[in-house]
Amino acid sequence: KQEVTQIPAALSVPEGENLVLNCSFTDSAIYNLQWFRQDPGKGLTSLLLIQSSQREQTSGRLNASLDKSSGRSTLYIAASQPGDSATYLCAVRQWTGNTGKLIFGQGTTLQVKP
Amino acid sequence: DVKVTQSSRYLVKRTGEKVFLECVQDMDHENMFWYRQDPGLGLRLIYFSYDVKMKEKGDIPEGYSVSREKKERFSLILESASTNQTSMYLCASNEAGIDGYTFGSGTRLTVV
Repeated sequence: KQEVTQIPAALSVPEGENLVLNCSFTDSAIYNLQWFRQDPGKGLTSLLLIQSSQREQTSGRLNASLDKSSGRSTLYIAASQPGDSATYLCAVRQWTGNTGKLIFGQGTTLQVKP
Repeated sequence: DVKVTQSSRYLVKRTGEKVFLECVQDMDHENMFWYRQDPGLGLRLIYFSYDVKMKEKGDIPEGYSVSREKKERFSLILESASTNQTSMYLCASNEAGIDGYTFGSGTRLTVV
C-alpha cells in the first residue's frame, strides 16, 4: 500500500531564506507527483506537476524534483516571502481501475516571518 | 480560467438531515473526486467517478453516496448527516491520462 510522508510537519523561517520541503513515498510505481498549496480554510492550489519520466519542474521561485527510484521529491522555495506561508501538500498518483487515485502526504505547514 | 466550483463555502446542518454537496467543473474532465479533510488524518477519498453515471468507492464511502448525471456535475450526498461527518469537503477533477488534479475551494460542513 502506498504511503506518502512529508517532513517536517511544520517549519518556521525568516523572510528571504531558501528552503526545502521533503516528500517520500513507498511505492515507486507512480504516474506523477503533484505539489499543492493550501491556505487556511481554503481549497488546494496546484503548484507543480512532475510526470514519472521527468526529474524536475520549475515555476517562478519554486522548483520541484523527483527521484522515483528512491521514492523522494523535494520542493525548493527560493527567497521565501511572508506570502508563502501556507500548508504544502504532496500527492502521488496511482493507477486504479479506469482512473488515477491521488494519495496525499500530511503536509508541511510553513510560516515565513517578516 | 478553468475551474472546479463547489456551490457552498460553509454549511450548517442538523443531525439526520439529508445533505447535498454540489461540484461543477468546466474543463470537460472525465474524472471527478470527493475528498474529506480532517486534522491529523489528511485528505481521504470518499468516492470518485470516471464517467457519467459511473462511480467507485474510495477509502471511506460509508455514510455517503454520489450522483453523476451530467459530465460536469458530481454530487456528494449524506443520506442522514451525523456529527462525525463534520469536515472540510473537497471536490477535484482531472482528465483521463496523466494530467494533474484541479481542486475546488472546499465546503466546510458542520453537523450539529
